[in-house]
Formats: sequence, C-alpha cells, structure tokens
Amino acid sequence: QKEVEQDPGPLSVPEGAIVSLNCTYSNSAFQYFMWYRQYSRKGPELLMYTYSSGNKEDGRFTAQVDKSSKYISLFIRDSQPSDSATYLCATPGRGSTLGRLYFGRGTQLTVWP
Amino acid sequence: GAGVSQSPSNKVTEKGKDVELRCDPISGHTALYWYRQSLGQGLEFLIYFQGNSAPDKSGLPSDRFSAERTGGSVSTLTIQRTQQEDSAVYLCASSPGQGYGYTFGSGTRLTVV
Repeated sequence: QKEVEQDPGPLSVPEGAIVSLNCTYSNSAFQYFMWYRQYSRKGPELLMYTYSSGNKEDGRFTAQVDKSSKYISLFIRDSQPSDSATYLCATPGRGSTLGRLYFGRGTQLTVWP
Repeated sequence: GAGVSQSPSNKVTEKGKDVELRCDPISGHTALYWYRQSLGQGLEFLIYFQGNSAPDKSGLPSDRFSAERTGGSVSTLTIQRTQQEDSAVYLCASSPGQGYGYTFGSGTRLTVV
C-alpha cells in the first residue's frame, strides 16, 4: 500500500464552482500534510501545509485533515481558469525516511470559463 | 538566483549513452532532493542530501543512477547506459532543512530514443 493515495482525475469544472480534491494516507503517525500545485511543464509549488487535524484557510483555499479516517482534502472556492493545474498531496516520511516527501499521483484539474 | 535552477531543461539522448543533469539549489538551503516524475506515475523519490550527512540513496532505481553534491551546493544526477524507461522529468528541490517544504526547480525532461 502506498503511503499516500490520490485519485488522478481528471476533474473538469466550470468557473466559480467549488472544487474538492482528496487524498488518503496509510500511516497514522503522519502529522504534516502539504498540497502542491503544478502547472504544465513547471515544478510543483507549495500551496498549503497543515499540521495534525483541522482546517486551514488561505484565501479561496481550505486544507482539511481528518486523522480519524486518514483523509486529507483541499477545497477551492470560486474556482478560476488560472487554478487549472495538477494538485498533489504530500506528507513527510517518519523515522528512517524523515526528510523525503511522499506524494500522491496528483489530480489534474481544469476550470473552464 | 532566487529559485532552484536545473539544466538542461530538455535532453534527448540515445539509448546506451550517459547523461548528467545539474541542479543549483537556493543559496543556503542545506537539503537537496531528486525526484522523478513519469506520466501518470506521480513523483518518485530518488535521493536526498542533508548537509554533510551521508545521502539517502534508497530511492535510486538501479546502480546506473548516481548523484553527488559538491561543496554542499550544486548537485549532479548521472544516469549511465540510459534505457527508454528512464524517460521522465527529473525534478530537483531544496529546502532550508529537514522537514521544511521544498522549493522545486522546473525539471529536466529526459527523452531516451
């Protein structure tokens, strides 16, 4: 079982829609969770990070962690065509793998005008 | 520079040839990472350097792959006797220390023909 699982989509929504992107993780010891956004032919860029459970909001973006179900989510409100990208969830390793990030496969999002 | 710089941005090579990929991390970042991104496969960890510690090479897929980091700064990933399955985008990232969010470069797109 992979450390982080993510539905690759693709996901296509109209401008203004609320987008929900989701991942599950396998190790209950994971505590930090990150969302990266990757535009075509670019490297991933850190969008948001959260620690433990709960919500974190930044503008139109909300990151949510549910440790009881080992589920992490990213919500995008009032989605814009400029949000069209691949979104990757990630979490740092533990113990001997501390330092590396485990990534989901990424969800490709298209927001059409 | 302000970001992580990778060169070349694109590389086409013949099967069996050796290639070298270069990464210039953000100045002062002690941690440096190499990942590989294949179509639909997400990011695959390759190797991780942290300061003067021995690198974590556990992600290198075969002994044809090697990497070094000189003077705690620039890193080179070398692939010997390239195979078609090595075709991918090779991403380098750096961070101020272990566990911090990464900053990625734009990657080197390697095509083995």
